Amino acid sequence: DAGVIQSPRHEVTEMGQEVTLRCKPISGHDYLFWYRQTMMRGLELLIYFNNNVPIDDSGMPEDRFSAKMPNASFSTLKIQPSEPRDSAVYFCASQSWEDGDEQYFGPGTRLTVT
Amino acid sequence: LAKTTQPISMDSYEGQEVNITCSHNNIATNDYITWYQQFPSQGPRFIIQGYKTKVTNEVASLFIPADRKSSTLSLPRVSLSDTAVYYCLAHYGGATNKLIFGTGTLLAVQP
Repeated sequence: DAGVIQSPRHEVTEMGQEVTLRCKPISGHDYLFWYRQTMMRGLELLIYFNNNVPIDDSGMPEDRFSAKMPNASFSTLKIQPSEPRDSAVYFCASQSWEDGDEQYFGPGTRLTVT
Repeated sequence: LAKTTQPISMDSYEGQEVNITCSHNNIATNDYITWYQQFPSQGPRFIIQGYKTKVTNEVASLFIPADRKSSTLSLPRVSLSDTAVYYCLAHYGGATNKLIFGTGTLLAVQP
């Protein structure tokens, strides 16, 4: 398996633009997580899905953020409109219910909002 | 309010045993503690997990005392390549049902 795939790897955009981050989890995994990592706040869980259903979105910072998982092999995290304070590395991770909390992380998307 | 904290940094030398502690309140008997390792420009990588008093795998050990208010990651004989940031992940189950990463510990291994 190629592991968790994220795209793009780097994104530079201007304030006010819409940004869409994409994730393909490991085949057969039934949990998918979106995280944000910054120097100031560390690793923050934004939202996670189980069998494509959002379970906990309490970490989503505000209404500008939205996430979808239309099927078991694809998820998106959208920011609209983007702001400079959204600049961070966004990680997607997937996990099988059989593996406890052993999550497999993607390489991340480095987002810069100018 | 669930909170997970770690020391900001630690120094060690090659060949030494390193113990990194994570403080987490309100962990129930069956709640998992998981440890991850992260290198620059990479996603975190799983090291070990468990909910019992002691768990050991081929690279590390995890100790959780009876009060379950902390856990310790033990790396038996570190090498230069173990220089990384280490995160604990506390799974607060029950009514809380939250996954909260610790603040991360930068381990610097010197020759």
